[in-house]
Amino acid sequence: GAVVSQHPSWVICKSGTSVKIECRSLDFQATTMFWYRQFPKQSLMLMATSNEGSKATYEQGVEKDKFLINHASLTLSTLTVTSAHPEDSSFYICSARGARGDYNEQFFGPGTRLTVL
Amino acid sequence: DAKTTQPTSMDCAEGRAANLPCNHSTISGNEYVYWYRQIHSQGPQYIIHGLKNNETNEMASLIITEDRKSSTLILPHATLRDTAVYYCIVRVSGTYKYIFGTGTRLKVLA
Repeated sequence: GAVVSQHPSWVICKSGTSVKIECRSLDFQATTMFWYRQFPKQSLMLMATSNEGSKATYEQGVEKDKFLINHASLTLSTLTVTSAHPEDSSFYICSARGARGDYNEQFFGPGTRLTVL
Repeated sequence: DAKTTQPTSMDCAEGRAANLPCNHSTISGNEYVYWYRQIHSQGPQYIIHGLKNNETNEMASLIITEDRKSSTLILPHATLRDTAVYYCIVRVSGTYKYIFGTGTRLKVLA
């Protein structure tokens, strides 16, 4: 149990385009999902917290208009990187936390590697 | 800021126990300690968590000191596949957020 998937696993796009990354909890309902970014040889940095049906809460320094997060259901959250630029190239990882005391720890997806040319 | 400190790197011989320490001196009474590991280019994998008592599962054991200011993750018989970065995390109080520190890069040697 507690499987989280991400799609796509990797994406290459041109500068100025937008990219959508999906995060799904496959076998449990996730009231809260988190989005992280990781640059090479660095640790994970929390970008935002999203709760189903409400607006995401962004960490300090993360541009909410650039990184759009939607958490429309208990099993799906999406991150859209708008007008991507080369400096947005990174490894994006989501995690999900279950409801009602089950799976209170975060379970992580496999990550999405974004390369912006 | 991360609430934990860990050594940057450690080596361990294959088949031996790997003991990974973590300091969390500012931990509050009701905060859990979580351990995850990240193998290169993958998402972090949950290992174990605990509050006060020592915990054991099929992957590892977690030893928490009586004052709860530090803990040790034990991989009883390390294999080459255990080579990874290991993160010790204390959840941000009042939230479910994790703030990752730098972790310990464990290299298991043949």
